[in-house]
Amino acid sequence: KNQVEQSPQSLIILEGKNCTLQCNYTVSPFSNLRWYKQDTGRGPVSLTIMTFSENTKSNGRYTATLDADTKQSSLHITASQLSDSASYICVVTVSNSGYALNFGKGTSLLVTP
Amino acid sequence: DTGVSQDPRHKITKRGQNVTFRCDPISEHNRLYWYRQTLGQGPEFLTYFQNEAQLEKSRLLSNRFSAERPKGSFSTLEIQRTEQGDSAMYLCASSYRTSGANNEQFFGPGTRLTVL
Repeated sequence: KNQVEQSPQSLIILEGKNCTLQCNYTVSPFSNLRWYKQDTGRGPVSLTIMTFSENTKSNGRYTATLDADTKQSSLHITASQLSDSASYICVVTVSNSGYALNFGKGTSLLVTP
Repeated sequence: DTGVSQDPRHKITKRGQNVTFRCDPISEHNRLYWYRQTLGQGPEFLTYFQNEAQLEKSRLLSNRFSAERPKGSFSTLEIQRTEQGDSAMYLCASSYRTSGANNEQFFGPGTRLTVL
């Protein structure tokens, strides 16, 4: 069964601090990995997407890494802001199947003043 | 606003009633997807369309659920005889099919269903 596991389940950090979220997957064959940000009561919004050959991808204060050999990804948030409070979902796509998204359960991040 | 839109944003209904949700995808997108998300979980795939054809349905989609995309544009998701277990956020997403790996799906804001 294709699985995507995220850790930690939840995280509380102070405004201005950095944090790193983890994603391990067993999806095969792998096509790409996305990180989404989902605000409470809203749909997910894509932050980054990486294919097999990409090791890192940045989007502002968000930097995602991918190790396709160990099937691990991380999302690093730099200089956190209150607006970063959200759920961050790791999504892995099966190769040649644009619809077959495998979602993690997400990491709930709370940034406090 | 040219993003994916969903209507209504919230629906409260009594058990046993039928409900229908609408999704309007990004206009040039030919693929449309429905997902269900319960609290603390990631979205779960329900079904998807390419143009007007429904190409895949999840086992989660019981016979009380039906989805249509009659003209290949907007889509509706109907739940008949709702049960309390149907309470969830129903997300719609759309994408444009390409030959590359990046068939990025763009999500709508969701419809929050509460079955009393």
